[in-house]
Amino acid sequence: EADIYQTPRYLVIGTGKKITLECSQTMGHDKMYWYQQDPGMELHLIHYSYGVNSTEKGDLSSESTVSRIRTEHFPLTLESARPSHTSQYLCASREGNYGYTFGSGTRLTVV
Amino acid sequence: GQNIDQPTEMTATEGAIVQINCTYQTSGFNGLFWYQQHAGEAPTFLSYNVLDGLEEKGRFSSFLSRSKGYSYLLLKELQMKDSASYLCAGFDRGSTLGRLYFGRGTQLTVWP
Repeated sequence: EADIYQTPRYLVIGTGKKITLECSQTMGHDKMYWYQQDPGMELHLIHYSYGVNSTEKGDLSSESTVSRIRTEHFPLTLESARPSHTSQYLCASREGNYGYTFGSGTRLTVV
Repeated sequence: GQNIDQPTEMTATEGAIVQINCTYQTSGFNGLFWYQQHAGEAPTFLSYNVLDGLEEKGRFSSFLSRSKGYSYLLLKELQMKDSASYLCAGFDRGSTLGRLYFGRGTQLTVWP
């Protein structure tokens, strides 16, 4: 069964800490995405990747960075977390003309 | 831009039928997706319309009119578990990325 995994599911962290949100998929999809979603708001694209060693920033300005060293792995890193980074982060992947498959999300709280 | 509009909230009772509308700018989109998202969870795929007309899948149906920039999701025989946010998303196949643009979602509450 195709799956996409995100860890951790929930994270509470202090201001100034460096954190990495993990995202892995077992479907061999080339395209992967990171979205940020606040309650009652639309999903905002913050990073995307066409494939290995290919990453781009999305629509929403973000202080995070991503890497794509392996097809299955697309981690997102915040070098110095701030309360404004508190949000839900959703990872997704897709292949061909099909829709996204989403991970379960990471709910981040920065205190 | 790709403005996607859908109602913020809707309520209905168990067993009823509800229609959630979605409008968007007609240029740029090659198809329309609907996702269901329960509170605190990831969106899950419901339907995809690339051609005009109605697509039926069990209790859920989705309709698309590309010329009018209009879609709706029809939910029949509502159940309590259908209480969730329903996201309309336009598919921009023109870009290499093939990305989706999401609306803010319609929060549906089903009452007993």
